[in-house]
Amino acid sequence: EVELVESGGGLVQPGGSLRLSCGATRFMFSNYWMAWVRQAPGKGLEWVANIKEDGNEKNYVDSVKGRFTISRDNAKNLLLLQMNSLRVEDTAVYYCARESRSQLRSFDHWGQGTLVTVSS
Amino acid sequence: DFQMTQSPSSLFASVGDTVTITCRASQSVSTSLNWYQQKPGTAPKLLIFTTSTLQRGVPSRFSGSGFGALFTLTISTLQPEDFATYYCQQSYTATPTFGQGTKVQIK
Repeated sequence: EVELVESGGGLVQPGGSLRLSCGATRFMFSNYWMAWVRQAPGKGLEWVANIKEDGNEKNYVDSVKGRFTISRDNAKNLLLLQMNSLRVEDTAVYYCARESRSQLRSFDHWGQGTLVTVSS
Repeated sequence: DFQMTQSPSSLFASVGDTVTITCRASQSVSTSLNWYQQKPGTAPKLLIFTTSTLQRGVPSRFSGSGFGALFTLTISTLQPEDFATYYCQQSYTATPTFGQGTKVQIK
């Protein structure tokens, strides 16, 4: 069974930085687009960023462009999200998700999520 | 930006009912429309992709239809485990967007 495990969340002050990691097991990680999706407390889902299999193509939602960087290490089966200049409105559970090969940009497996709280 | 609007935002239903949720896109997304189920405290689960294709393991009481800018998710013979929040999501553009969610609650 595919497994995605996020880590790295926590409490950070506005303007601070945090790096999220997602470890992937039980599937060929390097063959899949991967994504981050977030959910603010009590709110809906928001796609944040995705990255191509080889890391050579990346996309971001406008609200994080220039502040967040998605990357991956295929040798270690790791998906990363570097978050800089964090804002209160970035507070959310961040999910790592695998994109389906049947329909790109649909998400067929998700991690359990890691909570990021931006507050002074 | 592609906006996705679901209706209703919430509904009350009983076990055995048939429930229909609507999702409207601000522009055509062809058939690139997916549905997810989320229960409290857990990650979303993909139910249907490309408008009407059931994800492996999803019960056949779930069905999807539509094209362009109007889509529906139908749950036939509602079961106790179906009470959850449902989200539509367009995968037509390079920056996917979700609907705001529809909460299905027990009457």
